[in-house]
Amino acid sequence: AQSVSQHNHHVILSEAASLELGCNYSYGGTVNLFWYVQYPGQHLQLLLKYFSGDPLVKGIKGFEAEFIKSKFSFNLRKPSVQWSDTAEYFCAVRSNFGNEKLTFGTGTRLTIIP
Amino acid sequence: DTAVSQTPKYLVTQMGNDKSIKCEQNLGHDTMYWYKQDSKKFLKIMFSYNNKELIINETVPNRFSPKSPDKAHLNLHINSLELGDSAVYFCASSQQGPYYGYTFGSGTRLTVV
Repeated sequence: AQSVSQHNHHVILSEAASLELGCNYSYGGTVNLFWYVQYPGQHLQLLLKYFSGDPLVKGIKGFEAEFIKSKFSFNLRKPSVQWSDTAEYFCAVRSNFGNEKLTFGTGTRLTIIP
Repeated sequence: DTAVSQTPKYLVTQMGNDKSIKCEQNLGHDTMYWYKQDSKKFLKIMFSYNNKELIINETVPNRFSPKSPDKAHLNLHINSLELGDSAVYFCASSQQGPYYGYTFGSGTRLTVV
């Protein structure tokens, strides 16, 4: 079965700092990887996804993520965060086989201090 | 137009009651889902329907019964509500295939008192 680990539970940064949120997955086969963001009181929105090709994926709002197959990782990055990036961030994995459900990590709460 | 809409947005009810949450998507997606988000923000899949057929049922108590009258609707009925059912329930939809992410509804915050 697939699983996702997000080791950073709560990250606090000042505005303009650089961000990297960790995501590791566990699955023996080919996977597709996603990052979602949930702003306070809102639903989840897709930030970016990877399923093949260039392992460096660019998403919305200046976010990017790098798929490193050898490390089973898909870390999310942003060079300079803004106060409006305060949110919960979820990494998710979806396998190419079986019932293809989207499995989420436990999430990382990001707090940006103005 | 809202892509995935859920009603109601908030639901406060007493233990033992029966309640329903409705979900509709206008994206033409074949697959719909229900997820439960607990107080620690953990998201867990409950059910998945593909074109009205149940394809995922993840060890959810049988007090929870999904119903899909057509591929654009997936409702969730909960019998004999318990305190532990308090959570935010998200409906989502996607195109069939592993390359697609999900589009989520705005969630229903259920509080059982």
